[in-house]
Amino acid sequence: NAGVTQTPKFQVLKTGQSMTLQCAQDMNHNSMYWYRQDPGMGLRLIYYSASEGTTDKGEVPNGYNVSRLNKREFSLRLESAAPSQTSVYFCASSAPGRSNEKLFFGSGTQLSVL
Amino acid sequence: GQQLNQSPQSMFIQEGEDVSMNCTSSSIFNTWLWYKQDPGEGPVLLIALYKAGELTSNGRLTAQFGITRKDSFLNISASIPSDVGIYFCAGPLWDSNYQLIWGAGTKLIIKP
Repeated sequence: NAGVTQTPKFQVLKTGQSMTLQCAQDMNHNSMYWYRQDPGMGLRLIYYSASEGTTDKGEVPNGYNVSRLNKREFSLRLESAAPSQTSVYFCASSAPGRSNEKLFFGSGTQLSVL
Repeated sequence: GQQLNQSPQSMFIQEGEDVSMNCTSSSIFNTWLWYKQDPGEGPVLLIALYKAGELTSNGRLTAQFGITRKDSFLNISASIPSDVGIYFCAGPLWDSNYQLIWGAGTKLIIKP
């Protein structure tokens, strides 16, 4: 009954530090996504992976890298964190077809960059 | 580019009140989606709309796909405390199967 699992839930970084956010889904979904959510704004897509072995940039990819490790796992890496990357990060997955619009989200990672 | 404008930004409601919110765009959308986000959680899909004029219900929630295809509406009848949260509209980017455009959300708060 896990769905989409993200770790960690909270993280504080200093400017210039690196870290990787982990995401795993157990619904056998093909597509996975990383979004960021900032106060007063909607969700913005950072990167997505339509299927295992592929990744594509979304609306705000600068400063991030991703890895689709296998069908279950999709990680997001910040190589050199900046204060502008302070945000809540959500991983999501979806089944193929019209169901791409039905996203299943994890519970988020709150990241602060000082 | 495509943008979604949601209003109101926030609403104070009393238990039992009906609630209305809307989402508008200068662009045409072929699909309208309504998600709800509870505090500390990711959004959850409430209703998906696929045809202009379509009216779809999910319990006390009713959403409509505007005739012009440039707007959508969400109504909640007889609100209860668990309705608090942020309601987002979203729609697919016109040239992508995987990218959604999101509104900034309408935050529902219960009056004490």
